[in-house]
Amino acid sequence: AQSVAQPEDQVNVAEGNPLTVKCTYSVSGNPYLFWYVQYPNRGLQFLLKYITGDNLVKGSYGFEAEFNKSQTSFHLKKPSALVSDSALYFCAVRGYSTLTFGKGTMLLVSP
Amino acid sequence: DAGVIQSPRHEVTEMGQEVTLRCKPISGHDYLFWYRQTMMRGLELLIYFNNNVPIDDSGMPEDRFSAKMPNASFSTLKIQPSEPRDSAVYFCASSRQGWRDIQYFGAGTRLSVL
Repeated sequence: AQSVAQPEDQVNVAEGNPLTVKCTYSVSGNPYLFWYVQYPNRGLQFLLKYITGDNLVKGSYGFEAEFNKSQTSFHLKKPSALVSDSALYFCAVRGYSTLTFGKGTMLLVSP
Repeated sequence: DAGVIQSPRHEVTEMGQEVTLRCKPISGHDYLFWYRQTMMRGLELLIYFNNNVPIDDSGMPEDRFSAKMPNASFSTLKIQPSEPRDSAVYFCASSRQGWRDIQYFGAGTRLSVL
């Protein structure tokens, strides 16, 4: 069965600094990987996905993620954080017939 | 497009009462998913439909939970009888092509069972 690990419950970063939210996965076969973001009192919103191709995936709101097959990681990154990026971030991996989400990482960007 | 629409946004009920949550997926999406989100267990898939047919309900916690999709534009999740441990946020999501595709989530229903 597939699994996703987000090792950090919370990430704190100052506005303007680069941010990284970590994700590692385990799945049989080729991975389909996703990042979603959840703002308070809202549903999850799609940020980006990796299916095949370039290991650096660009997504919404200036976010990007780097797929690393050897380390089975799919870390979310942004060069310069905004206060408005503060939210709950979920990594997800597609298995045979389901999508498994991580526990989520709360990103807090301070002014 | 209005996106995935869920109702009600908030529901407060007493233990033992029946609760019905509603979802209208995005038009043209063939897949519909019901999730439950709690602090302790995170986001859990309860059931999903393909072309209105339930495909996998292994995540439904007990017989008290049931879900239907009578047509392509409407689904319900029912809890009868409700219990305090059912308190959570319930999300509905839809997608065009299932698990490899982007899922679009509704705003959720926050259920409190007293």
